Amino acid sequence: GQSLEQPSEVTAVEGAIVQINCTYQTSGFYGLSWYQQHDGGAPTFLSYNALDGLEETGRFSSFLSRSDSYGYLLLQELQMKDSASYFCAVYNTDKLIFGTGTRLQVFP
Amino acid sequence: EAGVVQSPRYKIIEKKQPVAFWCNPISGHNTLYWYRQNLGQGPELLIRYENEEAVDDSQLPKDRFSAERLKGVDSTLKIQPAELGDSAVYLCASSAGDRGLPDTQYFGPGTRLTVL
Repeated sequence: GQSLEQPSEVTAVEGAIVQINCTYQTSGFYGLSWYQQHDGGAPTFLSYNALDGLEETGRFSSFLSRSDSYGYLLLQELQMKDSASYFCAVYNTDKLIFGTGTRLQVFP
Repeated sequence: EAGVVQSPRYKIIEKKQPVAFWCNPISGHNTLYWYRQNLGQGPELLIRYENEEAVDDSQLPKDRFSAERLKGVDSTLKIQPAELGDSAVYLCASSAGDRGLPDTQYFGPGTRLTVL
């Protein structure tokens, strides 16, 4: 079977750093992506990791460990606008499989 | 560059009625996807098109759902008849489809369907 696990909810304050973890179990693994979705909005691509290590894009970084079937999204200098749901998604052979999402709430 | 366009944004129907959703992908994108997203869940793939061809419809409930992508551009997803459990957001996404996997997918805003 295939499964992705991530925390259902995370809270933090403005300016803080938060890490959203994702563990996966799947076959035919190509890489791990992260998407952001504001309430009522479209999922928006944030990052993609095919190889082990850290990828940095501005305030957001994403990490992958293929041997541990584990990745995380790191959000720094949190802003109120970062309040949204974050989904990890595995590229599996020929499709993208999404996790259930982590709802991030940023407080002033 | 215009993004993925979907209409309508919202639809409320009674059960057993038909409903259709329309999607216009990003210009030049060969691959088009339809997803269903239930409340509090991640998107789940229903069908994937490569140009006009449906290459993965394994998760599409074919007894009531149908889709088409004429001329390899716009696509329509239809449900007939709708059931209460079909209430969800239906998302369309597209990708360039010319670089093999992985292929970044760009999502539309979705159609929120409520079946009463």
